[in-house]
Amino acid sequence: AQSVTQLGSHVSVSEGALVLLRCNYSSSVPPYLFWYVQYPNQGLQLLLKYTSAATLVKGINGFEAEFKKSETSFHLTKPSAHMSDAAEYFCAVRGRDDKIIFGKGTRLHILP
Amino acid sequence: DTAVSQTPKYLVTQMGNDKSIKCEQNLGHDTMYWYKQDSKKFLKIMFSYNNKELIINETVPNRFSPKSPDKAHLNLHINSLELGDSAVYFCASSQGEGGGTAFFGQGTRLTVV
Repeated sequence: AQSVTQLGSHVSVSEGALVLLRCNYSSSVPPYLFWYVQYPNQGLQLLLKYTSAATLVKGINGFEAEFKKSETSFHLTKPSAHMSDAAEYFCAVRGRDDKIIFGKGTRLHILP
Repeated sequence: DTAVSQTPKYLVTQMGNDKSIKCEQNLGHDTMYWYKQDSKKFLKIMFSYNNKELIINETVPNRFSPKSPDKAHLNLHINSLELGDSAVYFCASSQGEGGGTAFFGQGTRLTVV
């Protein structure tokens, strides 16, 4: 069965600093991995996804994530945080059964 | 046009009532989902339908019954609402194979009083 663990329910970074949100997955088959962002009172928006084409995946709003099979990780990064990045971020894994399992989310706070 | 739309956006109702949430997608996807997001933002899958057939049914009380009249619609009916049902319910759709991305609706905030 698939599962996702996001380390850190809250992460605070200064504006302009590096953003690093951690995600580790467990899957018995090659996984499809996703990062979603949720702004207050809104639905989930896809940031990026990994589908085995390339280990470094670039997404919207300057985010990227690297798939590391040896570490079973799919961490999300952004070189320079912006105030508008403050939101809840979810890592998700999808197996061959079409079930999409989400991590518990990480709230990103941007400090001025 | 909204890709995945849910109605209503807000729903306040009393314990014991029966209510429905509707979901429609215009993306031509063959798989639709219902997720529940609790007050701690945890997203838990409830149901998944593929081409109108129930594929995933997590340990959800029988009071929750999904209905898919066609592959573009997946409605959620809840009987005998309880305080613990208060949450945000999200509908999503995806193309079933190849790691298709799930597209989410804006959510329905259900408050049971």
